[in-house]
This record gives sequence, structure tokens and C-alpha cells, in this order.
Amino acid sequence: QVQLVESGGGLVKPRGSLRISCAASGFIFGDYYMSWIRQAPGKGLEWIAYISSTGQTIYYADSMKGRFSISRDNANNSLHLQINSLRAEDTALYFCARTTSLEGHFDHWGLGTLVTVSA
Amino acid sequence: SLELTQPPSMSVSPGQTASITCSGDKLGKDYVYWYQQKPGQSPVLVIYQDDKRPSEIPVRFSGSNSGNTATLTISEAQAMDEADYYCQTWDSNAAHFGGGTKVTVL
Repeated sequence: QVQLVESGGGLVKPRGSLRISCAASGFIFGDYYMSWIRQAPGKGLEWIAYISSTGQTIYYADSMKGRFSISRDNANNSLHLQINSLRAEDTALYFCARTTSLEGHFDHWGLGTLVTVSA
Repeated sequence: SLELTQPPSMSVSPGQTASITCSGDKLGKDYVYWYQQKPGQSPVLVIYQDDKRPSEIPVRFSGSNSGNTATLTISEAQAMDEADYYCQTWDSNAAHFGGGTKVTVL
């Protein structure tokens, strides 16, 4: 069955950087778009970015451009998100989600990895 | 930037129908998706492409989308349907989520 397992979250100081990852299994990873979505504590869902199956097409939410960088490694069935210049408001649970197509739906989600930004 | 508006909360009695709305400018011209999220869990897709239901989702969940409003309907609501529900669409290569609706079944 489809499994998405995020990792790499933790406590980071403001202005620090972090790279979080998502390990995929149970499907042909290289056939699917993938996305990152986050959820601040007690808040709603916020889309960050998606990347095409080959990695050639990448889109970011306007508010995420500049500090966030999505990438993938199809050989190792993994998705990554680099976050720089972390701020307190980046504190959230970060989910990776399989995306059915360009502008498709998020049909499978991981459990998320928690990123906490605090001095 | 597209804004999707949902009521923050609603309640429904067991066995009754809950209709959750999602409003946005010309929303009906694009597909809308709906996700259910229970406390401490990841979101689950319940409706895609306006009105299609994944095979594992109960038939009591249905969707529609027209004009400026999309609607998720839960018929004969059950206690297990108590959750947060989010609508989502795409606009200019960006995904947009509504603020979410907390549905209480009591």
C-alpha cells in the first residue's frame, strides 16, 4: 500500500535552516507529482509547493517563494524540502502528499514531521 | 490571490444532513476537492473533481460545485463523521485551501 513517511523535523533556532524528507513506498514514485503542505498548531492547511514527476516543473505558493526549495530523488524514492531563514511562524506539521497530476488532488498523505522554530 | 471561504463550524444531529459550503470567485469553473481531518490524523480525500468519491469513502458523502460555491454534503451523518473539513482548488499553478469547517455531530 502507499506509504509516505516524513522525517527531519525538530527544534530549530530562528534564522536557521532545515531539510526535511519524505520516503515513499508502495507505488511507482517516479510516476507522480508530489507536494508539501503544512499545518500550524491549531490552524488550517497551507500548501507550500509541488514538483512534477521528473522534477522539471516546480511551483511554490507566493508566500513560500525564496526561502523554500522542493526537490526529489526518484532513484531513492524520496522527496525533500529545504527551508532557510526559519521564522517562528514556520512552526508547523509538514506533510508530504502524493499529487495525482498537474493540478490534481492529494490522494495520499504522510503523518507529517513537526518543525518547531524557537530560540 | 484566490480566497476560499468556509464557515468555521457547524453542528448536525446524528442521521441528519450536513452541508458545508466553500465560496470563492468563479469557483465553479475549476475542480474542487474536499478533505476530512480527524484530530491527530492526516487529512483524507473524501471528494475529488467536484463530485467524485474515492472507492473507500462512504456513499453518504457527496459534492457539487457551481457558480461561486462548492458544497460537501454528508447525508445521514454519523458520529464518526465528526472532523474538520477543508475544500481545495487550484488557481494559477497554486493550490488553495479553505480555512476549514469543524463539524460536530451531536
